[in-house]
Amino acid sequence: DAKTTQPPSMDCAEGRAANLPCNHSTISGNEYVYWYRQIHSQGPQYIIHGLKNNETNEMASLIITEDRKSSTLILPHATLRDTAVYYCIVRGYGGATNKLIFGTGTLLAVQP
Amino acid sequence: DAGVIQSPRHEVTEMGQEVTLRCKPISGHNSLFWYRQTMMRGLELLIYFNNNVPIDDSGMPEDRFSAKMPNASFSTLKIQPSEPRDSAVYFCASSLDNPNYGYTFGSGTRLTVV
Repeated sequence: DAKTTQPPSMDCAEGRAANLPCNHSTISGNEYVYWYRQIHSQGPQYIIHGLKNNETNEMASLIITEDRKSSTLILPHATLRDTAVYYCIVRGYGGATNKLIFGTGTLLAVQP
Repeated sequence: DAGVIQSPRHEVTEMGQEVTLRCKPISGHNSLFWYRQTMMRGLELLIYFNNNVPIDDSGMPEDRFSAKMPNASFSTLKIQPSEPRDSAVYFCASSLDNPNYGYTFGSGTRLTVV
């Protein structure tokens, strides 16, 4: 029951910005958008999250559209180590909604 | 902090045997999650605890699976009896019950049932 749609795969040249899109057209007002990534055989790693404002941290930037129906994760200078599956997840807060449901994600391949 | 600690890292067992996977969450975190990952089904949430109480176990596949959290610093996932289709990587994650905190995942336990 994942609530997001992501492209199955994307390529990016090393050193360039990687822009990963996500559609979440059924998001409700109290749901957050989270991004995680999973490098091969490791546990998923938290990247960033937001409610309605754009967010930036040391790893990435998150751009959320004004209607909140889609978002874009931006890795400003992709490196080979950023090759991973990136998951966009919509999550509520409180009680049984406080859980992350992973979809199939986007496999980002950073090319040298 | 050492992060979320799972043990063992690898487990190979024979069909029909009991398997116990262990998880130590990050100190102070009050939410704990067990996930299973396979190539066919991806990452599936099995069960979720908040303040040591199971909140949602709808992802537990069948009665052969059980999970406990006797205190804030320890949880177990038990499979009895194990079957070859249980072969997967099992991840434990912990978090604060706060939307501004992400989950921290452990390194996982790779279970092989032969």
